[in-house]
Amino acid sequence: EEQLVESGGGLVQPGGSLRLSCAASGFTFSSYEMNWVRQAPGRGLEWVAYISTSGSTIFYADSVKGRFTISRDNAKNSVFLQMDSLRAEDTAVYYCARDSGSYYFDFWGQGTLVTVSS
Amino acid sequence: DIQMTQSPFTLSASVGDTVTITCRASQSFSNWLAWYQQKPGKAPKLLIYKASGLKSGVPSRFSGSGSGTEFTLTISSLQPDDFATYYCQQYNSYPWTFGQGTKVEIK
Repeated sequence: EEQLVESGGGLVQPGGSLRLSCAASGFTFSSYEMNWVRQAPGRGLEWVAYISTSGSTIFYADSVKGRFTISRDNAKNSVFLQMDSLRAEDTAVYYCARDSGSYYFDFWGQGTLVTVSS
Repeated sequence: DIQMTQSPFTLSASVGDTVTITCRASQSFSNWLAWYQQKPGKAPKLLIYKASGLKSGVPSRFSGSGSGTEFTLTISSLQPDDFATYYCQQYNSYPWTFGQGTKVEIK
C-alpha cells in the first residue's frame, strides 16, 4: 500500500524554525518528484515547493522563497521541508504530495499542522 | 502567475443531480489542468488530470472538459460520497496554482 506520512508539525513562535519530514512507502520513492502543498485553516490549497528525483531541480512559491528549503534522502525514502523565519501567515496544514511527473499531484499524505503564534 | 477562479463558491444539490463546476484561468493554456476532491479533515484526492483524463479507480460519473481559459468538472448522478470541496489546479506554468475551491453541499 502506498503511503506518505508527514511529521514534525507543531507550535512555533514567529521567527522560529521547524523541519517537516515525509516518509514514503509502498512505491519506488526515488523515481518520483515530490512537492509540499499547504492549506491555511479554512482556506484553499497553495503549492509551496517542488524537488526533482535527484534533488538537482528545486522550485519554490514566492511566498516562501529564501525562508524554506526542500530536500530529500532517497536512501531513507524521505522528503523534508526546513522552514525558517516563520510568520503567522505560514500557519497551515502542510501536505507532502507525490508528483505525477507532469506537475500535478497524484498522491497525498495526511498532512501535519504548523501553527506560528506567540 | 496564472490565477484560477472557480464558480460557484458553494453549490447545493441533491443525490441524483448532475452538477457542474467551472474553473477559469487568467491566461489561456491547453489542457494542463487537474481536479481534486477534498473532504473535511482529509487530504485532497486526484480525480481528473489533463483536463479530461479520469484517474484509475475514480467513478465514471466524474468527467472533465475544457481548454483555453475555461474548464469544467461535471458530476453526474451525485452520490452521498460526493459531497465535498473540489479544487482545480493548473500545471501549465510555474508556479502551479489552485482555484479557491467549490463546496458541494446537500440541499
